[in-house]
Amino acid sequence: NAGVTQTPKFQVLKTGQSMTLQCAQDMNHEYMSWYRQDPGMGLRLIHYSVGAGITDQGEVPNGYNVSRSTTEDFPLRLLSAAPSQTSVYFCASSYLLAGAYEQYFGPGTRLTVT
Amino acid sequence: GENVEQHPSTLSVQEGDSAVIKCTYSDSASNYFPWYKQELGKRPQLIIDIRSNVGEKKDQRIAVTLNKTAKHFSLHITETQPEDSAVYFCAATFTYDKVIFGPGTSLSVIP
Repeated sequence: NAGVTQTPKFQVLKTGQSMTLQCAQDMNHEYMSWYRQDPGMGLRLIHYSVGAGITDQGEVPNGYNVSRSTTEDFPLRLLSAAPSQTSVYFCASSYLLAGAYEQYFGPGTRLTVT
Repeated sequence: GENVEQHPSTLSVQEGDSAVIKCTYSDSASNYFPWYKQELGKRPQLIIDIRSNVGEKKDQRIAVTLNKTAKHFSLHITETQPEDSAVYFCAATFTYDKVIFGPGTSLSVIP
């Protein structure tokens, strides 16, 4: 049981490049989400999904796309990277327990856009 | 809008003292309030949580209280130890499935 995995761990992009951050979980959790973490701003929700085929926007969705074709995978796509997207990205998965979602985080991806 | 405020942003305590971190949330419908601890360079880890039908919950040296009327909840750490030094985040659920985090509190426990 690997839990939540993310790849890559580190990435450097040039402005305008595109890339996909991968996230996978093997716990059969229905809920998955993406957060970005910037100094002094905590964890801000980008997009989330409550099941395969269902996604919704979080607090800061602009510049990012997601899809959820399977329960296990929830990739985050940056269409045209900008320096403002330099951040640490965390993926999380969770299951519904007693009416609430308890989240488990992946190890994070540190992205630098130059 | 959906918002979670957290205070203080930094907190220093002497080893053995207590630490208290407070959060407020904007949506009275929020029903789940977790707390996460994040050590430097690592992922956030859930340390305790509370649901809206409970006023207080304890787990060894950690406790969380919830005041639904005032829309605030607090984390209490007693007998602090150097290994408690980390950034602590509170969070709240909005519209049932959206989890929003506070900006974090950096706790330093001085030996």
